Amino acid sequence: DTEVTQTPKHLVMGMTNKKSLKCEQHMGHRAMYWYKQKAKKPPELMFVYSYEKLSINESVPSRFSPECPNSSLLNLHLHALQPEDSALYLCASSPPGGKAPGEQYFGPGTRLTVT
Amino acid sequence: DAKTTQPNSMESNEEEPVHLPCNHSTISGTDYIHWYRQLPSQGPEYVIHGLTSNVNNRMASLAIAEDRKSSTLILHRATLRDAAVYYCILRDVAGAGSYQLTFGKGTKLSVIP
Repeated sequence: DTEVTQTPKHLVMGMTNKKSLKCEQHMGHRAMYWYKQKAKKPPELMFVYSYEKLSINESVPSRFSPECPNSSLLNLHLHALQPEDSALYLCASSPPGGKAPGEQYFGPGTRLTVT
Repeated sequence: DAKTTQPNSMESNEEEPVHLPCNHSTISGTDYIHWYRQLPSQGPEYVIHGLTSNVNNRMASLAIAEDRKSSTLILHRATLRDAAVYYCILRDVAGAGSYQLTFGKGTKLSVIP
């Protein structure tokens, strides 16, 4: 299994809603990542988890709350989002250091629309 | 963060070779050069990486200048499925066993039938 899966594929939510994005991989990778990609822009790193611990938060607003319950699963909890948060949210994972220097496997993304 | 510079767009005829350039004049000795591509409506996909020597894999070749300040991704025979945005990235270490990829604007490759 060399896939990163993300659910849901599409999500429409109001500004007062609470929702969660889910990301899963079963490749034994111990690093997982959340990226945000606006239309016609490159992906921007949001969070990095290494061995289930948050190692990087790129000054992301607190309305985005990541969670890594185990080494295969990564969640992104969303609360009180703004319309400008509408974007494609990408999850990625990478093997432990030493096996492959930083190659990241990306999921297909969740297309989020905030109304 | 080290930065990369790529042309905004390039065109290639189908079945012709394509050379995608990337400048990274501030590269440090430990930075790996990674290339990813993103097809329309998909997540980015790893293409190839290198440190100092030229590299080949089933998807592409990577030619790295001797001073490492530039590199070129080579697609030997472009197909319509190669139409994508190609990103040249210098990989940073983010933490124990994790790595940080800072995407630049990339080069949008169009392949003409």
